[in-house]
Amino acid sequence: NAGVTQTPKFQVLKTGQSMTLQCAQDMNHEYMSWYRQDPGMGLRLIHYSVGAGITDQGEVPNGYNVSRSTTEDFPLRLLSAAPSQTSVYFCASSYESSTDTQYFGPGTRLTVL
Amino acid sequence: GIQVEQSPPDLILQEGANSTLRCNFSDSVNNLQWFHQNPWGQLINLFYIPSGTKQNGRLSATTVATERYSLLYISSSQTTDSGVYFCAAANTGNQFYFGTGTSLTVIP
Repeated sequence: NAGVTQTPKFQVLKTGQSMTLQCAQDMNHEYMSWYRQDPGMGLRLIHYSVGAGITDQGEVPNGYNVSRSTTEDFPLRLLSAAPSQTSVYFCASSYESSTDTQYFGPGTRLTVL
Repeated sequence: GIQVEQSPPDLILQEGANSTLRCNFSDSVNNLQWFHQNPWGQLINLFYIPSGTKQNGRLSATTVATERYSLLYISSSQTTDSGVYFCAAANTGNQFYFGTGTSLTVIP
């Protein structure tokens, strides 16, 4: 199993550009989530999904969209990037819910100029 | 949301020493997990421990839910233990709240 994979590993955007961060897992996990990690602030939940077709907002959802059309994939979209979205983004998954062991992807380092 | 506070923020240990990391949370929780982020940024789940005590090798964790805190014990520390340790808590629903972490450096 590849576990949780994220692409790209690094990305530089200009203000106003859009992009999609990809996240995929091959463990048949129902629960998937996106976090951002900023220096000195720990991880903050952006969006999460408890299964295909179901998504919900986390602590910091503004400026981000998600969809979950398959169990395996959970992309994160930035519609109009802003410098405040410069961060490291982590995707995580677990078997059924957040109470199960969380498996994290390697992260995407995003810089918005 | 739940406020999660971790202490100490930074810790430097000699190899072989023991340490205790603390996590306080502001509300009752049904989910408490500890994670280790290695120096390369990878996050690894250490424990799922909403209450009670668990041990895994040199690591153990205890959560006293009624008093709203959790402790992570590291015994006989090794340089590979270096990194940042996070605790994360949730009550109802599926929203995790992370603390700001304890940065551990183990020197040989």
